[in-house]
Amino acid sequence: KQEVTQIPAALSVPEGENLVLNCSFTDSAIYNLQWFRQDPGKGLTSLLLIQSSQREQTSGRLNASLDKSSGRSTLYIAASQPGDSATYLCAANSGGSARQLTFGSGTQLTVLP
Amino acid sequence: EAEVAQSPRYKITEKSQAVAFWCDPISGHATLYWYRQILGQGPELLVQFQDESVVDDSQLPKDRFSAERLKGVDSTLKIQPAELGDSAMYLCASSPRTGIETQYFGPGTRLLVL
Repeated sequence: KQEVTQIPAALSVPEGENLVLNCSFTDSAIYNLQWFRQDPGKGLTSLLLIQSSQREQTSGRLNASLDKSSGRSTLYIAASQPGDSATYLCAANSGGSARQLTFGSGTQLTVLP
Repeated sequence: EAEVAQSPRYKITEKSQAVAFWCDPISGHATLYWYRQILGQGPELLVQFQDESVVDDSQLPKDRFSAERLKGVDSTLKIQPAELGDSAMYLCASSPRTGIETQYFGPGTRLLVL
């Protein structure tokens, strides 16, 4: 059974800092790895999706990397802003024909002005 | 931009009562998912539909939970009777088909059982 872990659980940084969020998964047989953002009391917004054959994906100030062999993914946020404050969740897409997402518990990010 | 719709947004009920949540996926999306998210944790899949058929409901507590998607479009998730431990956010998501595409999430229904 796939298990996904995110470290740290919470992170507080001053505005302008570059930061890295970590995600690890136990079963390397994944189809893709996805990063989501969740604002308090809201649904999830997809940020980046990395296919199993890819090493990284970039969108604006966000860069996600994937190392299947070690079971790890990182989300890099450049020049953080207060508007980046949210919970960031990673999810591994695996599980046969159903192709289900297994989520980590998230990293709660606070960017201080 | 098309969105997944959910209602109600908030629901307060007493234990042993019945509750129902509704989800309308993005038009044309064949796959629909219901997740439960306990505060401080990631979402956990309850049930997955492909069109009107259940693909996976292995994590659905079938003694009290039921889900249907009769016409392969919108879906209803029901809890009867509700228990205190059911307090959580219930999220609906859809994707064009089961597979490798990203899932699009609705705003969720926050349930509080007293």
